[in-house]
Amino acid sequence: QSALTQPPSASGSPGQSVTISCTGTSSDVGGYNYVSWYQQHPGKAPKLMIYEVNKRPSGVPDRFSASKSGNTASLTVSGLQAEDEADYYCSSYVGSHKSEFGGGTKLTVL
Amino acid sequence: EVQLLESGGGLVQPGGSLRLSCAASGFTFSSYAMSWVRQAPGKGLEWVSAISSGGTTYYADSVKGRFTISRDKSKNTMYLQMNSLRVEDTAVYYCATIATSLLGFQWYFDLWGRGTLVTVFS
Repeated sequence: QSALTQPPSASGSPGQSVTISCTGTSSDVGGYNYVSWYQQHPGKAPKLMIYEVNKRPSGVPDRFSASKSGNTASLTVSGLQAEDEADYYCSSYVGSHKSEFGGGTKLTVL
Repeated sequence: EVQLLESGGGLVQPGGSLRLSCAASGFTFSSYAMSWVRQAPGKGLEWVSAISSGGTTYYADSVKGRFTISRDKSKNTMYLQMNSLRVEDTAVYYCATIATSLLGFQWYFDLWGRGTLVTVFS
């Protein structure tokens, strides 16, 4: 069982916005600004979408944004497109030189 | 082209051993911290282990004492020696780079390989 809790699924229609949450504790998400988000299409390797809570790597569309409040981090996808349909995972540093991932959220574009 | 390529996966019985390799190309491997992340069939991602550019190693509790991460800078390759394998170690194993700064690991994984499948069957 993951230490970081994500909803199993989320959905939205093309053009809409959807937000995925990642809830941890003060020992992980709430304690460090080392929260990242990954997109994974079926059969593919994960792809970094957000790092250090809200920073976007070069090449990631600005439709992807993220934030953190207390022990919960959030990823928002605006202007949903068909290619955004994928699994999304949050990750956080949890201290003692260890990292953990959330259980993943399957995003469906209706 | 910047690339990570895993190899060494396969079928093994419980209690057996396997060594995975991750060959890096297109970037200065010696400067990067590296990590292994695994994904059981139909399940989520699980961080397994990490190694700094200087060779300091870190492990998830689930594999500590059974797995050993290492790197050979002369070969631009990272390894994961897996001993005492269990059925629950069955997964696709990805290698990834870990961003670092003067403060140390930034704990995000920015370049990923395609993965190699390890199946532990009884």
